[in-house]
Amino acid sequence: DTEVTQTPKHLVMGMTNKKSLKCEQHMGHRAMYWYKQKAKKPPELMFVYSYEKLSINESVPSRFSPECPNSSLLNLHLHALQPEDSALYLCASSDGLAGATSSYNEQFFGPGTRLTVL
Amino acid sequence: LAKTTQPISMDSYEGQEVNITCSHNNIATNDYITWYQQFPSQGPRFIIQGYKTKVTNEVASLFIPADRKSSTLSLPRVSLSDTAVYYCLVALNTGFQKLVFGTGTRLLVSP
Repeated sequence: DTEVTQTPKHLVMGMTNKKSLKCEQHMGHRAMYWYKQKAKKPPELMFVYSYEKLSINESVPSRFSPECPNSSLLNLHLHALQPEDSALYLCASSDGLAGATSSYNEQFFGPGTRLTVL
Repeated sequence: LAKTTQPISMDSYEGQEVNITCSHNNIATNDYITWYQQFPSQGPRFIIQGYKTKVTNEVASLFIPADRKSSTLSLPRVSLSDTAVYYCLVALNTGFQKLVFGTGTRLLVSP
């Protein structure tokens, strides 16, 4: 199974709502990522989890709160978002093994959650 | 992190070979060069990765000169379904990766 799944596919929320995005992978990957992608723009890295620990936070506002409950799951909790936060939110995973390797360390991306903040 | 520069857009016709060049002048010794493809409203998909010389797989070839300051993705005999955005990135090949996507190249394949 080389698939990263994300739910929901679409989400519309008001600025006072609390919602969560979910991401799941069963490839045994040790690294998981959240990206944000605005229309016609490249994906921008938000968070990286390595071995279930937050390794990178790209200065993301606190209204976005990531959580990694176990090695297969990654959540992104949303609270008090702004209309400019509307975007496609992508989850990805990769093997994340440290040390020298000759194999590809590609990231597998999910289909994304299209978020609209009203 | 090394920054990459690619053409913003390219046009081609079905059956032609397409070559997309990427510049990465500040690539580090341990960086690998990786290309991803993205269709509208989908996540990026890995195409090919290399460190030096030439790498070929079932969908593309990647040419990297000895100085590694640039690379060329070659798509043989493109079809309409190859219309997408192609991103060139440089990153370590081990551990977790901090991928920095550039603007990418929008390839439009016409009949």
